Amino acid sequence: KNEVEQSPQNLTAQEGEFITINCSYSVGISALHWLQQHPGGGIVSLFMLSSGKKKHGRLIATINIQEKHSSLHITASHPRDSAVYICAAPSNQFYFGTGTSLTVIP
Amino acid sequence: DGGITQSPKYLFRKEGQNVTLSCEQNLNHDAMYWYRQDPGQGLRLIYYSQIVNDFQKGDIAEGYSVSREKKESFPLTVTSAQKNPTAFYLCASSNYQGANQPQHFGDGTRLSIL
Repeated sequence: KNEVEQSPQNLTAQEGEFITINCSYSVGISALHWLQQHPGGGIVSLFMLSSGKKKHGRLIATINIQEKHSSLHITASHPRDSAVYICAAPSNQFYFGTGTSLTVIP
Repeated sequence: DGGITQSPKYLFRKEGQNVTLSCEQNLNHDAMYWYRQDPGQGLRLIYYSQIVNDFQKGDIAEGYSVSREKKESFPLTVTSAQKNPTAFYLCASSNYQGANQPQHFGDGTRLSIL
């Protein structure tokens, strides 16, 4: 059993659509991380959140610590949002989801 | 600008050969990590180091070795004992090892077998 589960695994959207990626985790954490992996492989950190909601531009991340669930939303999606989105739950070590591969079509 | 530099971007290994992947950071971070990424799987921890001259095995350390002689550098050697080395390798660092510390990642090294 994976400590972190993401869904969907793959997602294709038309430009402008609202996108939601879900993450459930089984380990006890105090904060959850959302990462973005570009096609070339490099990873950047998008959010670290421990409660409620955070917003950065068109990206919104929410977390419910009691339900051990987090979501990443992208409003008005754009082709440049195409990437793999990974959630990570730090416990005694970082546990990573398998990622959601997003393709936004113009 | 501060960041993590991994080199080379692509690496090819012959059977029975050891290869070393470089990871350098100028973020003054104490903790450094090596992960392996395979298709359809999440990142898996190979080794991590919280301080110079100290490192710990992760979940999949067999066939790998590391050193941490300098704070800025954490090279990973893929030895001939690693029978399935073809993967994407990512190095990361954080201010110190802890849940609330974001990890900064390099751009990765893709290792293939000749």
